[in-house]
Amino acid sequence: AQSVTQPDIHITVSEGASLELRCNYSYGATPYLFWYVQSPGQGLQLLLKYFSGDTLVQGIKGFEAEFKRSQSSFNLRKPSVHWSDAAEYFCAVGLMNRDDKIIFGKGTRLHILP
Amino acid sequence: SQTIHQWPATLVQPVGSPLSLECTVEGTSNPNLYWYRQAAGRGLQLLFYSVGIGQISSEVPQNLSASRPQDRQFILSSKKLLLSDSGFYLCAWSVQGSEPQHFGDGTRLSIL
Repeated sequence: AQSVTQPDIHITVSEGASLELRCNYSYGATPYLFWYVQSPGQGLQLLLKYFSGDTLVQGIKGFEAEFKRSQSSFNLRKPSVHWSDAAEYFCAVGLMNRDDKIIFGKGTRLHILP
Repeated sequence: SQTIHQWPATLVQPVGSPLSLECTVEGTSNPNLYWYRQAAGRGLQLLFYSVGIGQISSEVPQNLSASRPQDRQFILSSKKLLLSDSGFYLCAWSVQGSEPQHFGDGTRLSIL
């Protein structure tokens, strides 16, 4: 069955430090992959998406993610975090041949130390 | 540009009361529409999705129902709310195919 795993429930980093949020997926075909960010009490905002082509994807707010087929991973990175990046981050895989549904990971909550 | 509206933002309802949450999309035609529920620490649970008017697929058996009376309107309903229906409800839309989903701002539902 298709699944998305975000192994870290919480991550804390200092402001200005680099960030990597992990995401692993299980899917039989080439996946469509997404990262979303959710601020408290808000909806989800799309950060970036991978469909095909270049495995390093640039997104909004200075984020990027790298698709590694051999590791079934799609980790999110940012070279220097800002206090405003504190939020919950969701990785998702699109099952585009099955009713256009998306499976979401359970999320990683990012805390920023001043 | 496309926008999605979801209301109300916050709702407090007694157990056993009915529910109606509404979601509308502007700026696109024939979108896929989705209802999710988000419980604390449990990610997003897909409740219903629709690929066209009158077409509703249910993912989880429950006392909730969904309807799509118009192309860009998606309604989540219940005849009698349970305590377990508390949570954060999100509506989303997507272009059919491989495009990502776009979310509304959510409704915080508290059941007393």
